Amino acid sequence: AQSVTQLDSQVPVFEEAPVELRCNYSSSVSVYLFWYVQYPNQGLQLLLKYLSGSTLVKGINGFEAEFNKSQTSFHLRKPSVHISDTAEYFCAVSVSQAGTALIFGKGTTLSVSS
Amino acid sequence: GAVVSQHPSWVICKSGTSVKIECRSLDFQATTMFWYRQFPKQSLMLMATSNEGSKATYEQGVEKDKFLINHASLTLSTLTVTSAHPEDSSFYICSAAVRRGRFNEQFFGPGTRLTVL
Repeated sequence: AQSVTQLDSQVPVFEEAPVELRCNYSSSVSVYLFWYVQYPNQGLQLLLKYLSGSTLVKGINGFEAEFNKSQTSFHLRKPSVHISDTAEYFCAVSVSQAGTALIFGKGTTLSVSS
Repeated sequence: GAVVSQHPSWVICKSGTSVKIECRSLDFQATTMFWYRQFPKQSLMLMATSNEGSKATYEQGVEKDKFLINHASLTLSTLTVTSAHPEDSSFYICSAAVRRGRFNEQFFGPGTRLTVL
């Protein structure tokens, strides 16, 4: 079975500071990895995904993530955050098989203040 | 493109009544739809997976007689919470998936907040 661990439940940062949201996964088979953002009372929006190829993945809103197979990690980074980045961020994994659902981590609340 | 809608966006009902939530893929046909449940400040928990024209597959611990899922077409899935109770109050999110090779690309609806009094 697969599992996802988001190491930080809350990350407070100041505007324009860099941020890293950590995600580790566990799986005995190949996986696809995702980061989603959720604003209050809304659904999920895909930030970026890793399917194969380059381990550095660039997404929307200036976010990027790096897949590290040896460390089973997929940390999300942004060099300079904005107030509008305040939201809940979820790391998710699915096995490399069509028809399978996503397994989500518990989420990290990113709070950006001025 | 790839828009998923949910209706209603929020609903308040009395204990013992049934509530139907619709999930529609507006501009694509979904091979599979998923239903998730999210409690406040918590992650999304998969409830069930449904494919058009077949019975839904429920996750362990999810009562299939209480959470009825109907996947009538490639663009519509419904979740009916039967005989709702306060503990069923939650945020329900659906996703519609399109198969791209070995990968299921999921698009999420905006969610439905259910409050049972």
